[in-house]
Amino acid sequence: DAGITQSPRHKVTETGTPVTLRCHQTENHRYMYWYRQDPGHGLRLIHYSYGVKDTDKGEVSDGYSVSRSKTEDFLLTLESATSSQTSVYFCAISEGAPNEKLFFGSGTQLSVL
Amino acid sequence: GQNIDQPTEMTATEGAIVQINCTYQTSGFNGLFWYQQHAGEAPTFLSYNVLDGLEEKGRFSSFLSRSKGYSYLLLKELQMKDSASYLCAVILTGGGNKLTFGTGTQLKVEL
Repeated sequence: DAGITQSPRHKVTETGTPVTLRCHQTENHRYMYWYRQDPGHGLRLIHYSYGVKDTDKGEVSDGYSVSRSKTEDFLLTLESATSSQTSVYFCAISEGAPNEKLFFGSGTQLSVL
Repeated sequence: GQNIDQPTEMTATEGAIVQINCTYQTSGFNGLFWYQQHAGEAPTFLSYNVLDGLEEKGRFSSFLSRSKGYSYLLLKELQMKDSASYLCAVILTGGGNKLTFGTGTQLKVEL
């Protein structure tokens, strides 16, 4: 199994509060991704990173920011959580470009009340 | 977004063969993945196709026709543990070579 750890695994928070999800990898892979998964939508890319301090937006980036100060850590922040951000969040890594297979973390179930 | 179409649900019998189809827009195609996702778990990689034809890997095979914008995942000798969601994902060059997932096909294997 790829060494990917997401924390927390579950979180319940209130609307308007900031939330940070952490993804940690031990594989030294260059590429890291944050996805959200919702019924009827499949996995949708929020943000991704090609390396330290090198990040870019995905298709559903509004309301989210990311940071990657070290190769092994990729943080996803919801600056002011909304109920529409209730979802399952998956971190993924790949050794190379998008045509390399993804390895996913176990996911974070986030509920915004 | 990019249209990737898969059936929402399928049911099959243990020991049988099932084919899960995926269609996508052909413009800018640059590769197709299949992932398996059990309920409450993370997706795991099954196969990758970039050229036309059939890729076989044990009980699972994946087929691609680039001209038709069509792929299928073939599962043989179905087992109960194959009950899962199967996700088709396509790399399209438009928008920077990003991977786009379909909504997945929920497969239920029955006795």
